[in-house]
Amino acid sequence: AQTVTQSQPEMSVQEAETVTLSCTYDTSESDYYLFWYKQPPSRQMILVIRQEAYKQQNATENRFSVNFQKAAKSFSLKISDSQLGDAAMYFCAYRSANAGGTSYGKLTFGQGTILTVHP
Amino acid sequence: DTGVSQDPRHKITKRGQNVTFRCDPISEHNRLYWYRQTLGQGPEFLTYFQNEAQLEKSRLLSDRFSAERPKGSFSTLEIQRTEQGDSAMYLCASSLGGYDSEAFFGQGTRLTVV
Repeated sequence: AQTVTQSQPEMSVQEAETVTLSCTYDTSESDYYLFWYKQPPSRQMILVIRQEAYKQQNATENRFSVNFQKAAKSFSLKISDSQLGDAAMYFCAYRSANAGGTSYGKLTFGQGTILTVHP
Repeated sequence: DTGVSQDPRHKITKRGQNVTFRCDPISEHNRLYWYRQTLGQGPEFLTYFQNEAQLEKSRLLSDRFSAERPKGSFSTLEIQRTEQGDSAMYLCASSLGGYDSEAFFGQGTRLTVV
């Protein structure tokens, strides 16, 4: 079974600064997807960024980028130029890319990191 | 279409009562997932539907839990004889059937068992 671990329960950052959220995972599969989701208070979870394991290039989405280290099974999220609207709970998640499995599409989440942005 | 819709948003019930939650996925999505999220934790997978077929159930889903997705449209999650440990946020997500399709989440139903 796959596991996802986020070792930082809480992080804080000053507005306009950069912050990095950590995530490690464990799997025996070679083909999978990794995600970062944002869950603002009392609002639905939204996808921030995703990474396909077969791609060596790190994914970027505007101010959000990842550092994907497949051998180390590490997947960190960097938020640049932090904004007040970035304050939320962030979840790292894993999804198998095994087309033959019935668990197709199921997400395994980490425990989450609460990000506070100070003005 | 405004996304995944869940009803009710909040539910308070007495221990031992039955509750039912509803999820309306994005209309063209054939995959539907239920997750449970306890306070301060990440969501945990409960069950998954492809169209009307329930293809996987987590061990977290005890016999008191049942989920349906008639006609492959909306889904319901019923909890019988609720216990205080059932208090959590119940999240629904849907996606297209492609292997790399994105899952879209609803706002969840927060259940409090008193």
